Amino acid sequence: DAGVTQSPTHLIKTRGQQVTLRCSPKSGHDTVSWYQQALGQGPQFIFQYYEEEERQRGNFPDRFSGHQFPNYSSELNVNALLLGDSALYLCASSFDLLALNEQFFGPGTRLTVL
Amino acid sequence: DQQVKQNSPSLSVQEGRISILNCDYTNSMFDYFLWYKKYPAEGPTFLISISSIKDKNEDGRFTVFLNKSAKHLSLHIVPSQPGDSAVYFCAASGLRGSQGNLIFGKGTKLSVKP
Repeated sequence: DAGVTQSPTHLIKTRGQQVTLRCSPKSGHDTVSWYQQALGQGPQFIFQYYEEEERQRGNFPDRFSGHQFPNYSSELNVNALLLGDSALYLCASSFDLLALNEQFFGPGTRLTVL
Repeated sequence: DQQVKQNSPSLSVQEGRISILNCDYTNSMFDYFLWYKKYPAEGPTFLISISSIKDKNEDGRFTVFLNKSAKHLSLHIVPSQPGDSAVYFCAASGLRGSQGNLIFGKGTKLSVKP
């Protein structure tokens, strides 16, 4: 059983560019959350998708957008990249059961903005 | 303002001894707490959780204690093993009965020396 997979592993972009990160959830999971982990910080919640809709959103600007597909996989898009967007982007999946908060994380995509 | 705080960036413990990792939170609406372990180049891995209706949860060598009046929780690892060396994140969730976004602390790097 494959766990949460993310692609690409590493990515280098320049300021002003756009980037798309991809995530495939763990088998049987239908909810995908995205987190940004800056160096020396804990993961910070970006948004969560369920049934192809954004269910919750953290304190991130509109430059950060996402999508969930019918097969539950998800994309994170970041427009007009800033140097401060350099971080590890983590995808987490879970099954939407009441009171079940354990999310399974992927290995992350390391984004460097030059 | 950080809602989940891990004030010790690092902790060094001898193999076989107890490791105690601490976490404080400020938001009394949090009702579910989790600990994650993270190795380099991997995503965080769920370790143990506790609901706000309990004060202790135990799973093998890992025990989490919750003191709601002090808004404090701790993770005890007994006995500590070299393989436990990792970054440990405390996380909190505030949406009772549903999947919610997780608020993470900055993490504590645990080193278990043989």
